Amino acid sequence: AQSVTQLGSHVSVSEGALVLLRCNYSSSVPPYLFWYVQYPNQGLQLLLKYTSAATLVKGINGFEAEFKKSETSFHLTKPSAHMSDAAEYFCAVSKQGGKLIFGQGTELSVKP
Amino acid sequence: DTGVSQDPRHKITKRGQNVTFRCDPISEHNRLYWYRQTLGQGPEFLTYFQNEAQLEKSRLLSDRFSAERPKGSFSTLEIQRTEQGDSAMYLCASSSDRRNGYEQYFGPGTRLTVT
Repeated sequence: AQSVTQLGSHVSVSEGALVLLRCNYSSSVPPYLFWYVQYPNQGLQLLLKYTSAATLVKGINGFEAEFKKSETSFHLTKPSAHMSDAAEYFCAVSKQGGKLIFGQGTELSVKP
Repeated sequence: DTGVSQDPRHKITKRGQNVTFRCDPISEHNRLYWYRQTLGQGPEFLTYFQNEAQLEKSRLLSDRFSAERPKGSFSTLEIQRTEQGDSAMYLCASSSDRRNGYEQYFGPGTRLTVT
């Protein structure tokens, strides 16, 4: 069975500071991993994906994530937070082409 | 590429009534997924289609829920005899098995409130 754990339901950073959102997964098969962002009352927008190619994945809006098989992790980072980054972030895992299994989400707040 | 659309965006209904939601996927996408999201939680898988075939259905899905994708294009999700516990955001997503990564693109969701 596959599962995702996001450490920290709420993360607060200052504008310009490093953003680090943690995600650990469990999968019996090589996983496909995704990060999505959700703004209030909206659907989910894909930030980036890992599909067994490069372990360091770059996404939109300056975000990137590194796949570490030994640690079963796929943490999301951004060097410098912007006020517009405040949102809910979800990590998800899937088998090839199948359903997404989501973590509980991490709400990111950005302080001026 | 007009994106995934869902209709209606909001639905308020009384307990016991039936409701139906529609999802129009990205036109070239052959896979379509339904998820449910309650406040403060991640989306939870309900069911998915490849073309018109329903390939997987969550064990958590009550038999009051049914989904169809009759021509392999749009899909409908019906909830019969709604209960207050059905109140949630219902999300639709689509993907293509011809694209590496099978990334799913989500619609804006339908927010259901059962009173």
